[in-house]
Amino acid sequence: EDKVVQSPLSLVVHEGDTVTLNCSYEVTNFRSLLWYKQEKKAPTFLFMLTSSGIEKKSGRLSSILDKKELFSILNITATQTGDSAVYLCAAPAGSQFYFGTGTSLTVIP
Amino acid sequence: DVKVTQSSRYLVKRTGEKVFLECVQDMDHENMFWYRQDPGLGLRLIYFSYDVKMKEKGDIPEGYSVSREKKERFSLILESASTNQTSMYLCASSLSGTPMYGYTFGSGTRLTVV
Repeated sequence: EDKVVQSPLSLVVHEGDTVTLNCSYEVTNFRSLLWYKQEKKAPTFLFMLTSSGIEKKSGRLSSILDKKELFSILNITATQTGDSAVYLCAAPAGSQFYFGTGTSLTVIP
Repeated sequence: DVKVTQSSRYLVKRTGEKVFLECVQDMDHENMFWYRQDPGLGLRLIYFSYDVKMKEKGDIPEGYSVSREKKERFSLILESASTNQTSMYLCASSLSGTPMYGYTFGSGTRLTVV
């Protein structure tokens, strides 16, 4: 059965902390893994990862994929209150995506 | 700017009512999806469609039906709303085939059934 599992389910940190969010997957014919950020409404795209060991970076956010161990991590450095959101990872299987349950991040001033 | 539009942001309905949630995309995408999102359960696929008049059941289709009469519009129907259908509903679309490059999501409809 295809599945995507995220941990932790929730996280509370102080501004300036660094956080690591985890996503493990078991997906038939793996092609890519995506990270989304969801604030109050629609998830917005962050990264797409297809190759192991190649870090994708956007400002304070970075992500990497390990296709051997079947996981990905999303790092956020120097967190800000605006980083508070649910972070979702997803992998396509067939004609749909499988989503993890998300990690709810709260950044306290 | 391409987008997926859901007709209502917030909706309150009574138990037993028939509810229509509308989703329209302007990207000429073949695939369209309806998810519901609940705390601790993540996004769960209700139905999806890969072409006009085609539909496939997702993981939790019970209590729902869908309609896709035109390529750009995908409607989710709650035949007789129940309180356990209170949730956030997200519509998404993608190009045909494997959605490797991800979905485009609508803003969501938060439905409360009382």
